[in-house]
Amino acid sequence: EAGVVQSPRYKIIEKKQPVAFWCNPISGHNTLYWYRQNLGQGPELLIRYENEEAVDDSQLPKDRFSAERLKGVDSTLKIQPAELGDSAVYLCASSYNPASSGNTIYFGEGSWLTVV
Amino acid sequence: GDSVTQMEGPVTLSEEAFLTINCTYTATGYPSLFWYVQYPGEGLQLLLKATKADDKGSNKGFEATYRKETTSFHLEKGSVQVSDSAVYFCALSKGAAGNKLTFGGGTRVLVKP
Repeated sequence: EAGVVQSPRYKIIEKKQPVAFWCNPISGHNTLYWYRQNLGQGPELLIRYENEEAVDDSQLPKDRFSAERLKGVDSTLKIQPAELGDSAVYLCASSYNPASSGNTIYFGEGSWLTVV
Repeated sequence: GDSVTQMEGPVTLSEEAFLTINCTYTATGYPSLFWYVQYPGEGLQLLLKATKADDKGSNKGFEATYRKETTSFHLEKGSVQVSDSAVYFCALSKGAAGNKLTFGGGTRVLVKP
């Protein structure tokens, strides 16, 4: 079974340019997450979807970040305009039935963003 | 709020040595606890988990026991291999927050032949 798929793996852009990341979760997983991992730190949640609904976006910098999951399957995370401090790894993850806190969350390989 | 604290690395040790990575947490209620591993150039992979007090999670020779009295979930392996070189993350989640994972800062482990 395919895991969480993300693209692109690597992206280098100049500051003030836009960038978008795409994620396809594991088939059947209704919950999708976007995390940001700064160098040398643990991942931090940006947004969590249950099906099409964003149920937790409290950590998403809404002035420049946006996300969507229109059909409740794949998702796109956008940054516009990018800033130097946005350089990080953007991780997508998915899980099935989030009602139980013990359910496993599966992560993709991440999209590595460098803003120059 | 909830938080996870783990020992800073890097931890450097020889093959077949004993590995311990300390992890403590602060959370209300009854969180589930996880260890994730990140090999160079790869995404996070679940290593093991424990969902209630006194549970022991184990996988690939690694073990960790959920100790509610000390709010700890230390990771141990009796004999490490070079292939265990990676960054290890301790994390928690709570049912009230869905499956939101709160991670520690990660501990880099380097095993030398």
